Amino acid sequence: GNSVTQMEGPVTLSEEAFLTINCTYTATGYPSLFWYVQYPGEGLQLLLKATKADDKGSNKGFEATYRKETTSFHLEKGSVQVSDSAVYFCALTNNAGNMLTFGGGTRLMVKP
Amino acid sequence: GAVVSQHPSWVICKSGTSVKIECRSLDFQATTMFWYRQFPKQSLMLMATSNEGSKATYEQGVEKDKFLINHASLTLSTLTVTSAHPEDSSFYICSAKGQEYYGYTFGSGTRLTVV
Repeated sequence: GNSVTQMEGPVTLSEEAFLTINCTYTATGYPSLFWYVQYPGEGLQLLLKATKADDKGSNKGFEATYRKETTSFHLEKGSVQVSDSAVYFCALTNNAGNMLTFGGGTRLMVKP
Repeated sequence: GAVVSQHPSWVICKSGTSVKIECRSLDFQATTMFWYRQFPKQSLMLMATSNEGSKATYEQGVEKDKFLINHASLTLSTLTVTSAHPEDSSFYICSAKGQEYYGYTFGSGTRLTVV
């Protein structure tokens, strides 16, 4: 079955540091890949997505590139802010697009 | 964009009572709705998937008689936790998917505390 593995947190960075959160996946066919963000006490918000190999999703300074050869979808941001502190989930859908599989989540803490 | 409204945001109930959580798609028709449970500092666990007008499909290990899911319309799904016990205390999140919008939209979650 499909699975998503992402680096364990928490990840603690100083403001303006470079961020990478690793995500690798196992899936059959051609899944779509997502990053979701969850702020404390809230639901999930879609951060970015990529639907095919070599696509780059980007939003709010965050980027991730769909790498089929390495089955990865690492999340990056050049300069993090305190307001980026949250839990980030990598996820994928099956071919039919009717089920999301989540990674375990990575908590990011950004200190001023 | 697509918006999903989930209510209540938090609820405290006595052990043995039932609690209903609503999930509404505000600006699109949700043909499929998903209910998740999230324990502190953990990922989301899919509980069930429901298609409008059909019975929900429950994941293994989820008691369908305890977690009643109704998806009677294209804009509303409800999760009822029946005879709640303290171990049911958790964060419950719904997600909706429509045919005209590619993607999943999540509600803001409901924190249930059973005392």
